[in-house]
Amino acid sequence: AQRVTQPEKLLSVFKGAPVELKCNYSYSGSPELFWYVQYSRQRLQLLLRHISRESIKGFTADLNKGETSFHLKKPFAQEEDSAMYYCALGPPPGRRALTFGSGTRLQVQP
Amino acid sequence: DTGVSQNPRHKITKRGQNVTFRCDPISEHNRLYWYRQTLGQGPEFLTYFQNEAQLEKSRLLSDRFSAERPKGSFSTLEIQRTEQGDSAMYLCASSLFLRGGPSSYNEQFFGPGTRLTVL
Repeated sequence: AQRVTQPEKLLSVFKGAPVELKCNYSYSGSPELFWYVQYSRQRLQLLLRHISRESIKGFTADLNKGETSFHLKKPFAQEEDSAMYYCALGPPPGRRALTFGSGTRLQVQP
Repeated sequence: DTGVSQNPRHKITKRGQNVTFRCDPISEHNRLYWYRQTLGQGPEFLTYFQNEAQLEKSRLLSDRFSAERPKGSFSTLEIQRTEQGDSAMYLCASSLFLRGGPSSYNEQFFGPGTRLTVL
């Protein structure tokens, strides 16, 4: 069965500090991993996906199949990064649903 | 606003009543998804449509739940005989699926959600 684990419910850092939001997954096939973000009073939106190998708003995430992880990182946190972050596992063949983790709230303090 | 819209945004009902939610996807999107999100959890998949066909339903979707997308545009999610455990945020998302595209996944755009409270 697919599962996504985000072990931290809350991560609090100071502005300018590095950030790492952890995500581990269990899936027997070739995964597609995503990070979604929800800012205060806004809707859930895609931040980045592993197949794009891109940096969005300074965030990067590398898929580590050996450790079954897809941690989200940013070298210098900004106050506007404060939000809920959800890691999601993409649909296997024959299914179209995303499997989400329980989310991590990132608080960036001034 | 050309994004996904959901109505109503909030619904308070008494246990045992029926409720219906509406989702209007992005106009050219052929796929539409319903998710449920409870406090402290991420969204959980309920069901999805490709055009008007309901192609998959989660085990979470009990027989009190029914979803339709009659013309392949907007969708409704009805909950009959609501229970307190149905209290949650109900999210709708849409995507454009292109057969033969480079990936089996097409970005899902989410609506603002309908928050249901069952008293």
